[in-house]
Amino acid sequence: QVQLQESGPGLVKPSGTLSLTCAVSGDSITNSHWWTWVRQPPGQGLEWIGEVHRSGDTNYNPSLKSRVAISLDKSKNQFSLELTSVTAADTAFYYCARTMTTVTTGWFDPWGQGTLVTVSS
Amino acid sequence: DIHLTQSPSFLSASVGDRVTITCRASQDISRYFAWYQQRPGKAPKLLIYTTSTLQSGVPSRFSGSGSGSVFTLTISGLQPEDFATYYCQQLNSYPYTFGQGTKLEIK
Repeated sequence: QVQLQESGPGLVKPSGTLSLTCAVSGDSITNSHWWTWVRQPPGQGLEWIGEVHRSGDTNYNPSLKSRVAISLDKSKNQFSLELTSVTAADTAFYYCARTMTTVTTGWFDPWGQGTLVTVSS
Repeated sequence: DIHLTQSPSFLSASVGDRVTITCRASQDISRYFAWYQQRPGKAPKLLIYTTSTLQSGVPSRFSGSGSGSVFTLTISGLQPEDFATYYCQQLNSYPYTFGQGTKLEIK
């Protein structure tokens, strides 16, 4: 059974950097998958942040591209998110997930339980 | 970006009812389409992918259909655990996007 678990600081100061890690168990991040981050401001909808492939290739949401970096740590079987220059608008639940894609389709499964990151001084 | 519009945004129904949620995409997204359920305080959970394929373990009262730019999620015989928020998603092109959500409430 594949499981993902987010970890990282729950409070980040404005203009600081948000850093989260997603630990993967039951699957290797070196398999042919993409590994993704999604966020959800409290009471609002879902926003895709970006993804990283086992090769290190990345794709980011253009709305965040200038501030985001997603990377792999193959030795620890985990991947990470960094979001710089944060503001209160970045306060959200952050979820990691595995992206499954084939030639004709795709989906996110499974998801981590999520972690709330609050941006405040 | 491909915009997804769900209707309705709020839905009130009773246990045993049959309900349908529609998701319209701003352009053709082929079969790169999925539905998720999110219960309060929980992470989203995959229900249906490739438009109509039920994820393992998802009850058969859930079904999906559609093609091109219009997709539907139907729940036949609502159960108490089905009252949640439902999101559609496209993975046809970057950036991946979600619908705004449909909150299904108990009448």
